[in-house]
Amino acid sequence: SAVISQKPSRDICQRGTSLTIQCQVDSQVTMMFWYRQQPGQSLTLIATANQGSEATYESGFVIDKFPISRPNLTFSTLTVSNMSPEDSSIYLCSVTDRGVSDYTFGSGTRLTVV
Amino acid sequence: SQKIEQNSEALNIQEGKTATLTCNYTNYSPAYLQWYRQDPGRGPVFLLLIRENEKEKRKERLKVTFDTTLKQSLFHITASQPADSATYLCALDGGLDSGTYKYIFGTGTRLKVLA
Repeated sequence: SAVISQKPSRDICQRGTSLTIQCQVDSQVTMMFWYRQQPGQSLTLIATANQGSEATYESGFVIDKFPISRPNLTFSTLTVSNMSPEDSSIYLCSVTDRGVSDYTFGSGTRLTVV
Repeated sequence: SQKIEQNSEALNIQEGKTATLTCNYTNYSPAYLQWYRQDPGRGPVFLLLIRENEKEKRKERLKVTFDTTLKQSLFHITASQPADSATYLCALDGGLDSGTYKYIFGTGTRLKVLA
């Protein structure tokens, strides 16, 4: 299965600033997703990163707050914009092949907003 | 609305015993169900996938059942070891989108195997 490198692994940021998280995959993959996992909560899908087009956002998430890029089949970025303490969470990149398949996850980015 | 329930309380068992974790769902008819393991500070790792027409699936010491009538999946670890201590997540398909199944995750159950 694919191997994902996610950076940074953690960061502490000031409110009002933005952080860009990178997800690099060692092979071309069809689907890439961004999840958020708040303490004690399940993984919540933020958006599907589409190669060469705008990301598809889930209910409750908007492009202005979480802009996503996917310039090719092996790389994507998620930006958390104008951060507030409520954005403190773990952000995870995930990939899968088309069809029924398991997901491979990155190790996550632990974000703390102060 | 669709809802997935996993026991939020930690499960402590003695080494060598069988651990059984439960995943219940409502307002849902998933075609596929997956189980993942998550260690602290790491992303989830895929363990098993079971289809709605499969009653049971096994992989080494792991066994998963899928009862679409009860709307429940059971995840068993036999001959449990301290190394099995982790949080286990169930995930159900939220439907087909652009040729890929999107999965919705439960909150997970933390398992602790005592030596």
